[in-house]
Amino acid sequence: SQQGEEDPQALSIQEGENATMNCSYKTSINNLQWYRQNSGRGLVHLILIRSNEREKHSGRLRVTLDTSKKSSSLLITASRAADTASYFCATDGGGGSYIPTFGRGTSLIVHP
Amino acid sequence: EAGVAQSPRYKIIEKRQSVAFWCNPISGHATLYWYQQILGQGPKLLIQFQNNGVVDDSQLPKDRFSAERLKGVDSTLKIQPAKLEDSAVYLCASSLTTGIDNEQFFGPGTRLTVL
Repeated sequence: SQQGEEDPQALSIQEGENATMNCSYKTSINNLQWYRQNSGRGLVHLILIRSNEREKHSGRLRVTLDTSKKSSSLLITASRAADTASYFCATDGGGGSYIPTFGRGTSLIVHP
Repeated sequence: EAGVAQSPRYKIIEKRQSVAFWCNPISGHATLYWYQQILGQGPKLLIQFQNNGVVDDSQLPKDRFSAERLKGVDSTLKIQPAKLEDSAVYLCASSLTTGIDNEQFFGPGTRLTVL
């Protein structure tokens, strides 16, 4: 079963706009990670946020985590055509083990 | 730094045939993962190794899938016999260790088509 579920399934925006994707999960976690997948570069790690963190930034990426709501969001600011890809959140099972579980992903299309 | 290598990149087989995939992780990475990614879905973990020991294989269909990492470096994933529903991309990933803060590095994947 999938631990994380991304929303929306698909997102289409114009270059320069911001894109927001959400991830909901079911059980407690140690951390949550976001990955990007496109045909050119495969699956690439973007950012990790720990369960005791609420917000994290990396370049044009901003990730938030709300453990009370079991949800996370990924914001891409000033999007570019090169951001066109599928974005996945990945969670662990909490506790002392790390068994990574990916959601179904959000497909983002950025129109030039 | 060389990335995760996988071969072959593409494979087409008939159902009931056998197939094997190979993965060479990043040098020094103790943990190796095999994922199955069906079109339109996220990667699903099949098996996770720490060195040459299995950490988790709870989602590996053991009646037809097997994987090994004998020397704690390269790994092979085998399907025998293949079914139509095994058509997917098989991704290999590695990380420095098994831990809650590990970052996984993925290979390009092997796209399997079962006819």
